[in-house]
Amino acid sequence: QKEVEQDPGPLSVPEGAIVSLNCTYSNSAFQYFMWYRQYSRKGPELLMYTYSSGNKEDGRFTAQVDKSSKYISLFIRDSQPSDSATYLCAMIKEGAQKLVFGQGTRLTINP
Amino acid sequence: DSGVTQTPKHLITATGQRVTLRCSPRSGDLSVYWYQQSLDQGLQFLIQYYNGEERAKGNILERFSAQQFPDLHSELNLSSLELGDSALYFCASSVAGAAGSPLHFGNGTRLTVT
Repeated sequence: QKEVEQDPGPLSVPEGAIVSLNCTYSNSAFQYFMWYRQYSRKGPELLMYTYSSGNKEDGRFTAQVDKSSKYISLFIRDSQPSDSATYLCAMIKEGAQKLVFGQGTRLTINP
Repeated sequence: DSGVTQTPKHLITATGQRVTLRCSPRSGDLSVYWYQQSLDQGLQFLIQYYNGEERAKGNILERFSAQQFPDLHSELNLSSLELGDSALYFCASSVAGAAGSPLHFGNGTRLTVT
């Protein structure tokens, strides 16, 4: 079983829709949670960064962490075609060096 | 632009050969990470350096080695290349190299082994 599970999709939604992306994990020691966006032929770009449980909002993006369920989510409101990319969740334990990534979800926003 | 520079962007080489991938971290970042991304394995952590010293090792093959130089740039050396080594190789950097320090990635080197 992988430490971090993420549905690879692909996920296709119409422009303006609310998108929900999710990851589950098995190790309760993870404390820092991140979402990266990766466009084709580019490196992952940090979108959201949260510590422990709770919500964090940045513009159209909201990250949620539920440590009791070992479940994290990224919501995209008013989705735009420019949001079409692969979204990767990532997490790391306190004091650790290794960031563990999910497989990534490929998202397409249709105009 | 993340500020992390990787060269070359593309590399095509034959099996059995050796290549060197180069990474310049963001200004001020002391830690460099190397990741391999393939379609079936996703992003896999290879190795981390902090201020010239190896800090952590992941699933790095013995045929691969890396180092971080005094000016903080890093090189990843891949030798005795096999077809299965074809992948995207990413470098990332962070300020502190600790769990609370987010990683910023370069745009990668696409390696094709024929």
